[in-house]
Amino acid sequence: GNSVTQMEGPVTLSEEAFLTINCTYTATGYPSLFWYVQYPGEGLQLLLKATKADDKGSNKGFEATYRKETTSFHLEKGSVQVSDSAVYFCALSGSNFGNEKLTFGTGTRLTIIP
Amino acid sequence: GAVVSQHPSRVICKSGTSVKIECRSLDFQATTMFWYRQFPKQSLMLMATSNEGSKATYEQGVEKDKFLINHASLTLSTLTVTSAHPEDSSFYICSAIRQGGLDGYTFGSGTRLTVV
Repeated sequence: GNSVTQMEGPVTLSEEAFLTINCTYTATGYPSLFWYVQYPGEGLQLLLKATKADDKGSNKGFEATYRKETTSFHLEKGSVQVSDSAVYFCALSGSNFGNEKLTFGTGTRLTIIP
Repeated sequence: GAVVSQHPSRVICKSGTSVKIECRSLDFQATTMFWYRQFPKQSLMLMATSNEGSKATYEQGVEKDKFLINHASLTLSTLTVTSAHPEDSSFYICSAIRQGGLDGYTFGSGTRLTVV
């Protein structure tokens, strides 16, 4: 079955530091890959996604590239801000985008200190 | 963009009572809705997949008689926690997929359930 392995947290960085949160996956076929962000007490918001190999998803300064050869989708940001403090989830869905359930990683709690 | 409204955002109930959580797609029709449960500092656990007009598909280990799911229309799915116990206290989140769309999943803002 599908699975997502995500870098364990928590991660604490200083403002303007470089961020990497690792994510690798196991799936059959050609899954779509996602990063979601959850702010305290809230639901999940889609941060970025990629639907095929070598695609790069990007949003709000965050980037992740779909690497089929390494089955990875690492999240990166060049200069983090305090407002980026949240929990980040890597997720995948099956190749049929219609009604496939999402499989989530365990989440990485990120705290940015001024 | 697609919006999913989840209500209530917080609820406290007594042990033994039932609680209903609503998940509405506000500006699109959702063929499929998912219900997740999130324990503190943990990931989301899929509880069930809800398809409009048919019975929900529950994940292994989820009690279907305890967590009743109804997807009566293309814009509304409900989760009812029956005979709630303190161990049911958790954060419940729904998500929906637009009918015929390929633009992904939209999540509700979640419901914090506390059973006392």
